[in-house]
Formats: sequence, structure tokens, C-alpha cells
Amino acid sequence: DQQVKQNSPSLSVQEGRISILNCDYTNSMFDYFLWYKKYPAEGPTFLISISSIKDKNEDGRFTVFLNKSAKHLSLHIVPSQPGDSAVYFCAASAGDDKIIFGKGTRLHILP
Amino acid sequence: KAGVTQTPRYLIKTRGQQVTLSCSPISGHRSVSWYQQTPGQGLQFLFEYFSETQRNKGNFPGRFSGRQFSNSRSEMNVSTLELGDSALYLCASRQANYGYTFGSGTRLTVV
Repeated sequence: DQQVKQNSPSLSVQEGRISILNCDYTNSMFDYFLWYKKYPAEGPTFLISISSIKDKNEDGRFTVFLNKSAKHLSLHIVPSQPGDSAVYFCAASAGDDKIIFGKGTRLHILP
Repeated sequence: KAGVTQTPRYLIKTRGQQVTLSCSPISGHRSVSWYQQTPGQGLQFLFEYFSETQRNKGNFPGRFSGRQFSNSRSEMNVSTLELGDSALYLCASRQANYGYTFGSGTRLTVV
């Protein structure tokens, strides 16, 4: 049973525009959500997180939105840059339980 | 502060052999988790160790095992290797309930 779902395997966005990556979850016990970015042959690197008590968290070009009633979160990247081309993983956890990852979305930033 | 160190970076093994992968967490981090990444499957949780005890376990067969030492270093062992075990194995450490910091991974190829 996939508790964290990223339904778009890939996404292409023009450089300078907004990239929006989506993620849905099924477990209502999740209270902490994270986004990771991964380049080939490297481990994932932490991007941004949000606690379930918030609905928005911003860090520079990256903003994560959480809609608890819809069990949905999204990552906005504005403006998109060539270096943003990577695979993005959505992840969630409940307390100090294991962190569960989605299957990832490959983002292509087009020149 | 040194990051999470995984050794070796690359490994080629034959079906039926066994393999041991090593992970040194960030200093002070007592939790170490292991994930398997394969194309199209995202990051699948193997297990988590905290203070030398397995705290969480994923849905992998018993051929996959791990342990953690008193200095928080961790090893993962896979016995009777199968072709399907070819993957990137990622180790991550964390402090308290924050997100993971990942190592660069060990790329295992089973031939």
C-alpha cells in the first residue's frame, strides 16, 4: 500500500517559470512532510519540510504548501533554474516512525 | 561536520554471493536508516537502527539484515544475492525527529 504518492513521473517547465510538484498521502497520522532532491549517482538532499501544524513554509525559491483536509502537499519552485533539473521525492513521517518516500517526479527545466 | 559516509561506492557481485555495506552517520546522530532505490520504485525503506537496536523494519525478505555498533556506525548485509537486488542502497542518519541526511549510496550490481 503506497502511503505517499507522486502521480506525475515527470514534469517539464520552462526556465524562469514556476514548477509545481504534487504529492498525496493516505495516512492521517503523518505529521511531518519533507521534500528531497536527487541528482544521478548522489544521495537525496533535503530541500524543505513542513509540520502538520502549518499550511505553508517558504525557503528562498522553494515553498511547500500543505492541505491536510485533502491530504495533499505541493512544492513550488519560483523561478525555475537549470540546476533544478533533478528527481524530487516527497516524504512523510508520523512521530519518530520511519520516513516514507514517494516514487519521485523527474523535473526537466527547459532553456 | 562530516556527512554520512557510505562504503564502498560501487560493488559488483555474483548471484548467490553475500555482500556487506557500511555506513558512518553524522557525528552525534544515533539513528541510521537504510533504503533501496530502484528505477520506478523510489526509495523503499529497509530498516532503521537506533542505539544499536532495530527500531523499524520494512517489507524485505530475511536475506536483508543489518546491525548498528556502539559508535552508531551501521552495516547492512544481503545474503544469497539475486539479480533483482541490483540497486542503489542509501544510508541516512538523523537526529531526533528531523529529516534524514543521506549518504551518496552504494551502487550494487548483481551479475
